[in-house]
Amino acid sequence: GAVVSQHPSWVICKSGTSVKIECRSLDFQATTMFWYRQFPKQSLMLMATSNEGSKATYEQGVEKDKFLINHASLTLSTLTVTSAHPEDSSFYICSAPRGGVGEQFFGPGTRLTVL
Amino acid sequence: SQQGEEDPQALSIQEGENATMNCSYKTSINNLQWYRQNSGRGLVHLILIRSNEREKHSGRLRVTLDTSKKSSSLLITASRAADTASYFCATDEAAGNKLTFGGGTRVLVKP
Repeated sequence: GAVVSQHPSWVICKSGTSVKIECRSLDFQATTMFWYRQFPKQSLMLMATSNEGSKATYEQGVEKDKFLINHASLTLSTLTVTSAHPEDSSFYICSAPRGGVGEQFFGPGTRLTVL
Repeated sequence: SQQGEEDPQALSIQEGENATMNCSYKTSINNLQWYRQNSGRGLVHLILIRSNEREKHSGRLRVTLDTSKKSSSLLITASRAADTASYFCATDEAAGNKLTFGGGTRVLVKP
């Protein structure tokens, strides 16, 4: 099956710093990627849709200036958590559909801990 | 907001038993998908059922879809300890690949 990678797999940072998370589709091109966050023992909440060559679409309640998304190429989307605070600590997961409508391929996730 | 609600939230069974979990949703859908997540990991796609399908099988998995009741069920037969994971349903409402996830069912299969 298709492979989606994320980097880093975990990161610990100080409050106030910015953290960049990369999501790559390794063996297919993805014009669209999705970013989710997941708190412990909870479900995935869609944060935004990353669109190659255009602005990301954010879900209601997600601050676009805090969670910067850049879809630089057909295989790479980045999520930057700016001025991170402890409440931003979470598991961030990206996904990408391949081809037409159907299953999505998820990255392994990035565990962010803000001290 | 969550589209789907899953029931039960947690399930504990013995190896060899069947596990059934249900998912309800609120709006019209294009398809419904089931995913599995091992602790601290990404999601793995299990099965997709389209809105015009009623039942689908894949190995030990059986998924049903009742669009009139806006509900789906996932059955895992002859469970194994390795099936221990969280299972999520996700709906694709507008054929745009944008998924909305249910709350998930945590399944523990005891050896």
